[in-house]
Formats: sequence, structure tokens, C-alpha cells
Amino acid sequence: KQEVTQIPAALSVPEGENLVLNCSFTDSAIYNLQWFRQDPGKGLTSLLLIQSSQREQTSGRLNASLDKSSGRSTLYIAASQPGDSATYLCAVLNNNNDMRFGAGTRLTVKP
Amino acid sequence: KAGVTQTPRYLIKTRGQQVTLSCSPISGHRSVSWYQQTPGQGLQFLFEYFSETQRNKGNFPGRFSGRQFSNSRSEMNVSTLELGDSALYLCASSLEQRSYNEQFFGPGTRLTVL
Repeated sequence: KQEVTQIPAALSVPEGENLVLNCSFTDSAIYNLQWFRQDPGKGLTSLLLIQSSQREQTSGRLNASLDKSSGRSTLYIAASQPGDSATYLCAVLNNNNDMRFGAGTRLTVKP
Repeated sequence: KAGVTQTPRYLIKTRGQQVTLSCSPISGHRSVSWYQQTPGQGLQFLFEYFSETQRNKGNFPGRFSGRQFSNSRSEMNVSTLELGDSALYLCASSLEQRSYNEQFFGPGTRLTVL
């Protein structure tokens, strides 16, 4: 059974800092991995989708990497801003079409 | 292009009742997936519909069911509600089956069971 872990559970950084969020998974037989952000009481906003054959994806200040063999993904946020404050979730879609989410990292960027 | 819409946004029911939630995907999207989010269990996959057929199902009891219409809109039904069904129910749409495509989420329906 696939297990997805996100570390740290919470992170507080000053504005302007670069940061890395981590996601690990136990079963490497995946279709893709997707990073989302969720604002309090809201739905999920898709940030980046990495297919199993890809190593990384970039969008603006965000860069996500995938190392399937080691069961790891990282989300790098450059020059963080207060508006980046949210909970960041990673989700793994397994080859058996089961989707598993991590518990999330709650990010606070202080002005 | 309009995003994923879910109705109603908030719902209060009592134990034993049933409830139907609705999801309208992004125009042109053919796949709709449903998820339950609770503080204790986090986000869990319920089921995925594609071309009016349930393609995948998570580990939830038969009280949870759904369907998809020819216009790709989807409904989720929960019968005989229990207190533990209180949650944020999210639906997501993708162009094709979610194996290949990015999923876009709606704002959710917050269900409270009293």
C-alpha cells in the first residue's frame, strides 16, 4: 500500500527566502505526482504535474523534481512571498489508479 | 474558461439522512473524480468517472455512490449519513482520465452531519 509522507509538517520563513518542501512515497510504481496548494477552507490549486517519465517541472518561481527510484519529490520555491502562505500537498497516482495524498506542509511566509 | 463548480457549498444534515452533491467540470473535461477531506484522515480518493462510467473506486463503503451524465457533470450521493461523514468533499476534473492529465479542483462542498 502506497504511503506518502511530507516533511516538514509546518514551516515558517521570512519573505525572500528560498525553500524546499519534501515528499516521499513508498511505491515507485506511479503514473505521476502532482503538487497542490490549499488555502484555508478552500479547494486545491494545481501547481505542477510530473509524469513518471519526467525528472522535473518548472512554473515561474516553482520547481518540482521527481526521483522515482528513491521515492522522492521536492518542491522548490524561490524568493518566497507572503502570498505563498498556504498548505502544500503532494499527491501520487499509482499504476493501479489509486491516488494518495500526503498530509501536507503548512507554509507561513512572514513579511 | 470557468473552473470546476460544486454545489451546494455548504450543507447541514442529520444522521440517517441522505445527501446529493453536484460537480460541474471544466468545459471539455471528461473525467471527474471525488475526494473526501477530513482533519483526521486527510484527503482520500472516493471514485473517478469517465465517459459516464465509474473507472476507479477508493476504499469507501457502498453508502457512497456517484454517477456522471452525458455532459460530464457528476453527482455524488451519500446515504444513511453518519457523524463521521462530516468533511469537505472535493471534486476534480481532467481532460482525459487522470492517469495522463493534470487535475483541477473545485472549491468543495462542506458537509456537516449533526
